[in-house]
Amino acid sequence: DAKTTQPNSMESNEEEPVHLPCNHSTISGTDYIHWYRQLPSQGPEYVIHGLTSNVNNRMASLAIAEDRKSSTLILHRATLRDAAVYYCIRAYNAGNMLTFGGGTRLMVKP
Amino acid sequence: DAGVIQSPRHEVTEMGQEVTLRCKPISGHDYLFWYRQTMMRGLELLIYFNNNVPIDDSGMPEDRFSAKMPNASFSTLKIQPSEPRDSAVYFCASSSTGNTIYFGEGSWLTVV
Repeated sequence: DAKTTQPNSMESNEEEPVHLPCNHSTISGTDYIHWYRQLPSQGPEYVIHGLTSNVNNRMASLAIAEDRKSSTLILHRATLRDAAVYYCIRAYNAGNMLTFGGGTRLMVKP
Repeated sequence: DAGVIQSPRHEVTEMGQEVTLRCKPISGHDYLFWYRQTMMRGLELLIYFNNNVPIDDSGMPEDRFSAKMPNASFSTLKIQPSEPRDSAVYFCASSSTGNTIYFGEGSWLTVV
């Protein structure tokens, strides 16, 4: 039980921002929110994670709702290389075992 | 850093044969994970180790599957005997305590 809910798929146009939503209404106060993505024929790769505050890195931004029951991964300018399955995961510790759900398949149109 | 290294990348074997998948984690990492990915079940955690000790093997499907980590730089996942339903991509991953998990490129197993 991954305990997060994501849309099965989303589409975006190249060079436009993408907002990928995730619901985690039963999250506990100590759970981090992690995002990984899996490009075709590759293993999952880390994107970003956070606890309470919004987070930014070179790949993306993570916006966490004030009540922490939902979050949004923001790709500021989608490229064709961003086409992947994006997984939102809640986990007690940043480096411990992760339980993957179905994720969101992002398709990017040129 | 070479990342997590898995071998073989691809294997095709006949039902009933023994399959051994190998993994070299990133140097200095104290956690090692084995995942399996299929279209039907997605990514499933099979087992994970901390400091070479198995911590949780509740995801191992049955007794035909076994995993070992004889030292900090090597782990194996063995299937004996293999069955067609074991066909999947098997990922090894590693991390250091409290930090990001890094995945290998996977071992693509086909059992015919």
